[in-house]
Amino acid sequence: EVQLVESGGGLIQPGGSLRLSCAASGFTVSSNYMSWVRQAPGKGLEWVSVIYSGGNTYYADSVKGRFTISRDNSKNTLYLQMNSLRAEDTAVYYCARGPDSLCIDYWGQGTLVTVSS
Amino acid sequence: QPVLTQSSSASASLGSSVKLTCTLSSGHSSYIIAWHQQQPGKAPRYLMKLEGSGIYNKGSGVPDRFSGSSSGADRYLTISNLQSEDEADYYCETWDSNTQVVFGGGTKLTVL
Repeated sequence: EVQLVESGGGLIQPGGSLRLSCAASGFTVSSNYMSWVRQAPGKGLEWVSVIYSGGNTYYADSVKGRFTISRDNSKNTLYLQMNSLRAEDTAVYYCARGPDSLCIDYWGQGTLVTVSS
Repeated sequence: QPVLTQSSSASASLGSSVKLTCTLSSGHSSYIIAWHQQQPGKAPRYLMKLEGSGIYNKGSGVPDRFSGSSSGADRYLTISNLQSEDEADYYCETWDSNTQVVFGGGTKLTVL
């Protein structure tokens, strides 16, 4: 059974850093595209970043230069390092498998990041 | 880059059927999309992948009441025999090598 479990969210001051983790089971992270998607309070889904199975990474313009996606193959875990956080980064962050089959096909339960002083 | 357009809201009565629409922008009418359901307070759930031909592949455990179809640039999600638990936000999603993952704005479905 495919499972994605995020952790690492919390309350952080503007300008601070946070690292999110996504522990995967039931499949191999390094063999799939893996994405981070966020949802601000009361808003829709916003794609944040993707790492391809080959290692290429891509970012939404809103986070480029501040966020870094990575993975640890030995731990079968996906990460999102978030630096220089802003109030507008406040959201629930979801880990997702895909879109190497041209779409996301599994979602984690999400972790809340609140950026506030 | 592709843009996905969805109506902001829809409503239908318990036990009836509803058809939600996701429209691909000009030049992208052949794109494959996915439909995702997000019930209140929960994470999104993958429902199906839908091709321009109308062929769709549902995720594990998705009820038979959910089906997909296509016409030109429009991608549809039809829910039959509406249940109270179908009240949710529905998002369409596509992928492009330049823009990566793109989501529609979502449709809030109310079951009357």
